[in-house]
Amino acid sequence: DQQVKQNSPSLSVQEGRISILNCDYTNSMFDYFLWYKKYPAEGPTFLISISSIKDKNEDGRFTVFLNKSAKHLSLHIVPSQPGDSAVYFCAASKHAGNNRKLIWGLGTSLAVNP
Amino acid sequence: NAGVTQTPKFRVLKTGQSMTLLCAQDMNHEYMYWYRQDPGMGLRLIHYSVGEGTTAKGEVPDGYNVSRLKKQNFLLGLESAAPSQTSVYFCASTGTGSYEQYFGPGTRLTVT
Repeated sequence: DQQVKQNSPSLSVQEGRISILNCDYTNSMFDYFLWYKKYPAEGPTFLISISSIKDKNEDGRFTVFLNKSAKHLSLHIVPSQPGDSAVYFCAASKHAGNNRKLIWGLGTSLAVNP
Repeated sequence: NAGVTQTPKFRVLKTGQSMTLLCAQDMNHEYMYWYRQDPGMGLRLIHYSVGEGTTAKGEVPDGYNVSRLKKQNFLLGLESAAPSQTSVYFCASTGTGSYEQYFGPGTRLTVT
């Protein structure tokens, strides 16, 4: 049972436009959410995160929005650049417990076209 | 500061052979994780460790063993490799008080 869902396997966007990647979760105990970016033949790299006590977190061109009532978060990239072309993973964690495990979505492949 | 390193980067095994993948981190992190990534399956947790001398099973532990004898190292072993273990393996670590996991570059393993 997929607790973190990224329903769009792929997304194509023109350079300079906004990219919006979506993520839904089912477990209301999740209280911390992260986005990772992965290029081919490399390990995932942390991009941005948000705690459940916030509804928005911004870092440069990247903004994550959290809607707890809808159990939905989204990553906005503005403006999109060709170097943003990668697979983006959404992940979630629960504060309870001491293992710091992350529950991962299956990823969305973003292509930013020049 | 190398972060998280993995050895080897590539390996081809025959069915039934054994091998050990090494993960090392120089960030003094308490928590370490082994994942496998297969097409369309995302990242699946194999085993993890919450500190030196501890290990625990993740989502897909069968066919793998791990050891964490030193805080900086986390070893993943395949005792008898099977074609179903063909995958890309990633190691990650995180520190106390953080959820951000730092990943190694991955090991691409093919079992024929």
